Amino acid sequence: EPEVTQTPSHQVTQMGQEVILRCVPISNHLYFYWYRQILGQKVEFLVSFYNNEISEKSEIFDDQFSVERPDGSNFTLKIRSTKLEDSAMYFCASREPGPYYGYTFGSGTRLTVV
Amino acid sequence: AQTVTQSQPEMSVQEAETVTLSCTYDTSESNYYLFWYKQPPSRQMILVIRQEAYKQQNATENRFSVNFQKAAKSFSLKISDSQLGDTAMYFCAFMTTGANSKLTFGKGITLSVRP
Repeated sequence: EPEVTQTPSHQVTQMGQEVILRCVPISNHLYFYWYRQILGQKVEFLVSFYNNEISEKSEIFDDQFSVERPDGSNFTLKIRSTKLEDSAMYFCASREPGPYYGYTFGSGTRLTVV
Repeated sequence: AQTVTQSQPEMSVQEAETVTLSCTYDTSESNYYLFWYKQPPSRQMILVIRQEAYKQQNATENRFSVNFQKAAKSFSLKISDSQLGDTAMYFCAFMTTGANSKLTFGKGITLSVRP
């Protein structure tokens, strides 16, 4: 069964550093998403991406964050100048054109900012 | 804006018994999709079951079934013959039908299956 692949599985970074979280969505999917889950809490929407541009972003997704699909397969989330409160699980997801199918999520990247 | 409410933070069930997880939502849309996702200790988000709002028939996937009450905006998940592997966090989620629709999650419920 096709999978969404996320790397790395766990990243530790120092406060103020930049991190790039990587995702390879399922190849025939057209819609891509990043979600965040602070440990044990709600899964929060960050951003959606379609046709090589952001289609929607949440209040959380401020100037510190950016997304890119640099080569037609990878989908990256960059966090500039990380803060302690950025520590969370970050999930990438993709879906087919029909929303009925829901998302396929990657296994997540656990980001720890120290 | 849509909201999803899971008011029970945690539940426990004996192995082989049946448990029902509650979810309510609020929307002004007439058609939409509802989902239950499972998040085991590995933290992976796994789709358990989906329901399209215009379909009156409740969705069923093996031991998992839903009770969808559109008028009451209620979408509960029933797990029959609970197994130890069902121990996980369960999230109810809502999605509109638009092209740019996104999933909105409830806070989740932690389910523990006791041997």
